[in-house]
Amino acid sequence: DIVMTQTPLSSPVTLGQPASISCRSSQSLVHSDGNTYLSWLQQRPGQPPRLLIYKISNRFSGVPDRFSGSGAGTDFTLKISRVEAEDVGVYYCMQGTQFPLTFGGGTKVEIK
Amino acid sequence: QITLKESGPTLVKPTQTLTLTCTFSGFSLSTSGVGVGWIRQPPGKALEWLALIYWDDDKRYSPSLKSRLTITKDTSKNQVVLTMTNMDSLDTATYYCAHRLQQLVAFDYWGQGTLVTVSS
Repeated sequence: DIVMTQTPLSSPVTLGQPASISCRSSQSLVHSDGNTYLSWLQQRPGQPPRLLIYKISNRFSGVPDRFSGSGAGTDFTLKISRVEAEDVGVYYCMQGTQFPLTFGGGTKVEIK
Repeated sequence: QITLKESGPTLVKPTQTLTLTCTFSGFSLSTSGVGVGWIRQPPGKALEWLALIYWDDDKRYSPSLKSRLTITKDTSKNQVVLTMTNMDSLDTATYYCAHRLQQLVAFDYWGQGTLVTVSS
């Protein structure tokens, strides 16, 4: 199984300031078709997960452009350019390159 | 507009079999490239993928739970059913179903989830 490791576990951020979350996979997420199937999800308190980013850097429909994804191979990053109050929650990375599908342990974003 | 909703028992006893139904709208599970998956989340813990069924009836399971899981679809009813046998207290979790498109290889629409508690 591909292990997804997220850091930090928790990220206290001042409103309006940037936040960055790292996700590292135990092996390359480059698929044989040449794509890298790494996605990011946001889970607000009491809510189901919501897709933010797919294939490393593609924002899903309706996702604000303050969210961006980057990376390659085994190292990936989700950035929030200016954190807003509604961004509070837990963020997960997920790999879809190989079965079983696996998630990172989550990073909690909270306001200082 | 794609929506999914999970339904099933909120409480099951140890050793019993859990049957969950995902009823969806806004898409067809007979359309090429479409899949529906099940993911669970124990209270306060991370997400765990369980199973996935594709439009062509291809099925994938988490290896650690494969012997206990069965996923099926009823295209005419717009439903996907997950059964999990021999339930244990460690299976207490919120169970989600989610839509997946082949092109995205990501779960893009999620149900609200249903909390299943395993207790005698």
